[in-house]
Amino acid sequence: GAVVSQHPSWVICKSGTSVKIECRSLDFQATTMFWYRQFPKQSLMLMATSNEGSKATYEQGVEKDKFLINHASLTLSTLTVTSAHPEDSSFYICSAYHRGQNEQFFGPGTRLTVL
Amino acid sequence: GNSVTQMEGPVTLSEEAFLTINCTYTATGYPSLFWYVQYPGEGLQLLLKATKADDKGSNKGFEATYRKETTSFHLEKGSVQVSDSAVYFCALSRRTGANSKLTFGKGITLSVRP
Repeated sequence: GAVVSQHPSWVICKSGTSVKIECRSLDFQATTMFWYRQFPKQSLMLMATSNEGSKATYEQGVEKDKFLINHASLTLSTLTVTSAHPEDSSFYICSAYHRGQNEQFFGPGTRLTVL
Repeated sequence: GNSVTQMEGPVTLSEEAFLTINCTYTATGYPSLFWYVQYPGEGLQLLLKATKADDKGSNKGFEATYRKETTSFHLEKGSVQVSDSAVYFCALSRRTGANSKLTFGKGITLSVRP
């Protein structure tokens, strides 16, 4: 299977600061990537669909100005949590669509803790 | 809207026991259905999928049949192994292409004892 990485795997930050999370497809190009959020004992909630070279499509209820997504290359999408607050603490997971295998491949996730 | 409901967990079984994990869904039209597995410290991996009614997905001894009449996609395995210990997610998408949005259930943790 194809490999997707996320960096960092965990991060702790102070309230009011911004945090950037990277999602990389290591051995394939991905025109479409997805960002999910997962709360403890809850399902993955899709936040946005990231398309290379165009604006991300956000799900209803997700603040686009707070969760900035940039998909500037075929192997990298970034999620920036701006002015983070404790309620933004969560597990963030990305996936990348592999066209040749017609399958989404998932990163291992990033644990964000906002103090 | 679309939704996926999984049975409550966690589930603990002895090695070689029979496994059933229930999954039901609500969706308009004819969604595609998936089971994903997440091993400790790793990302979600596609376990199996079915794209139309009565299709059976299978992989690594696991099976699930797309039952439109009961809107279900239950996961089964005849004899579990310790290495099957993981979190299992049921999911659907409204289109057959894997580049379409996925709706997930809450996931269930399976622990298999030697």
